Amino acid sequence: EAGVTQFPSHSVIEKGQTVTLRCDPISGHDNLYWYRRVMGKEIKFLLHFVKESKQDESGMPNNRFLAERTGGTYSTLKVQPAELEDSGVYFCASSLRLAVNTGELFFGEGSRLTVL
Amino acid sequence: RKEVEQDPGPFNVPEGATVAFNCTYSNSASQSFFWYRQDCRKEPKLLMSVYSSGNEDGRFTAQLNRASQYISLLIRDSKLSDSATYLCVVNQGYSTLTFGKGTMLLVSP
Repeated sequence: EAGVTQFPSHSVIEKGQTVTLRCDPISGHDNLYWYRRVMGKEIKFLLHFVKESKQDESGMPNNRFLAERTGGTYSTLKVQPAELEDSGVYFCASSLRLAVNTGELFFGEGSRLTVL
Repeated sequence: RKEVEQDPGPFNVPEGATVAFNCTYSNSASQSFFWYRQDCRKEPKLLMSVYSSGNEDGRFTAQLNRASQYISLLIRDSKLSDSATYLCVVNQGYSTLTFGKGTMLLVSP
């Protein structure tokens, strides 16, 4: 069974440009999460989808970040315009049941974003 | 105070040693606790849940102290393959699992 896949694995862009990250969760997982790790910091929650609905987006840093999950399958995270402080590794994770209960988050390998 | 605090290490231990990590959390209402493992430049993976009464999985033992708001992970008979960063994870609300920065473990021959 395929795991969580993320694309691209690494993106280098200039400040002010736009980047779109994609996540394909494990098939059948209704819960999809985005997390981010900025260098030297902990992995931080960004938002949580249940199917196509945003359940919790309290971790989104600002309105330059837009996440979508049309049709409840794959998700995209767009950063527009990108700033230097957006550099980091963006992890997507999915779970069958609510992860706060089971702890069982299946992470993708992450998309490393470098903003110059 | 950080939500989840861990000693970043690194903890350098020889093979066969026993090593323990602690983690403190700030939210007294937290109900779910986990340890994750992350290998260098890889994704985090769930290692084990932490139950109130403590629990064991092979060489790994996890304990929870609600009164002092800390959890621990004990690794016995360390293997080279145990070298990784161990992340303490605590729920902070309905959706949110909050991660600590992690403790790095290096097991040497």
